[in-house]
Amino acid sequence: EDKVVQSPLSLVVHEGDTVTLNCSYEVTNFRSLLWYKQEKKAPTFLFMLTSSGIEKKSGRLSSILDKKELFSILNITATQTGDSAIYLCAVGKRATTSGTYKYIFGTGTRLKVLA
Amino acid sequence: GAVVSQHPSWVICKSGTSVKIECRSLDFQATTMFWYRQFPKQSLMLMATSNEGSKATYEQGVEKDKFLINHASLTLSTLTVTSAHPEDSSFYICSARDPLVVGELFFGEGSRLTVL
Repeated sequence: EDKVVQSPLSLVVHEGDTVTLNCSYEVTNFRSLLWYKQEKKAPTFLFMLTSSGIEKKSGRLSSILDKKELFSILNITATQTGDSAIYLCAVGKRATTSGTYKYIFGTGTRLKVLA
Repeated sequence: GAVVSQHPSWVICKSGTSVKIECRSLDFQATTMFWYRQFPKQSLMLMATSNEGSKATYEQGVEKDKFLINHASLTLSTLTVTSAHPEDSSFYICSARDPLVVGELFFGEGSRLTVL
């Protein structure tokens, strides 16, 4: 059975701290790993990773994928209160029977940044 | 980026009634759309994959007669919660892939259903 597990489940930090969020997976027919930020309603896209060892960076956020050890990390440096959200990791795979793409989400990490 | 519109944003209904939620891709054609359910403080649970012109593929444990999915065109998928009960109250969110944008999944705004 496919599994995507994120850790920690929740995290409280102070502004300026650096955080590392983890996503490990056991998914057949892996195609991609995506990170999303969810504040109130729809998740917003952060990164898509398909290759091991290549860091994706956007401002204070960065992410990397390890396809050998089956995990990804999302780093946020110099955290701000606006970073408070649920961070979701999703693995895109090709379904075995139908051949179509599907996305399996992890448990999510709830981050709270205190002023 | 691609835009996915979901309607209604919230709905309150009486137990036993049916509720329809629409998901539209506004600026791209989506052959595949996904329906997720999210409980408070939890992650997104994939309910079904909606395929244009064919039957939806439901995840294990999701009742296909309870959650009817129709994907009649390349820009519209609907989820109908039939004979809704209070335990169906949840946040339902749709998403779609733009075939021209590799990998990324675009989300609707979500629909909060409350069944009294």
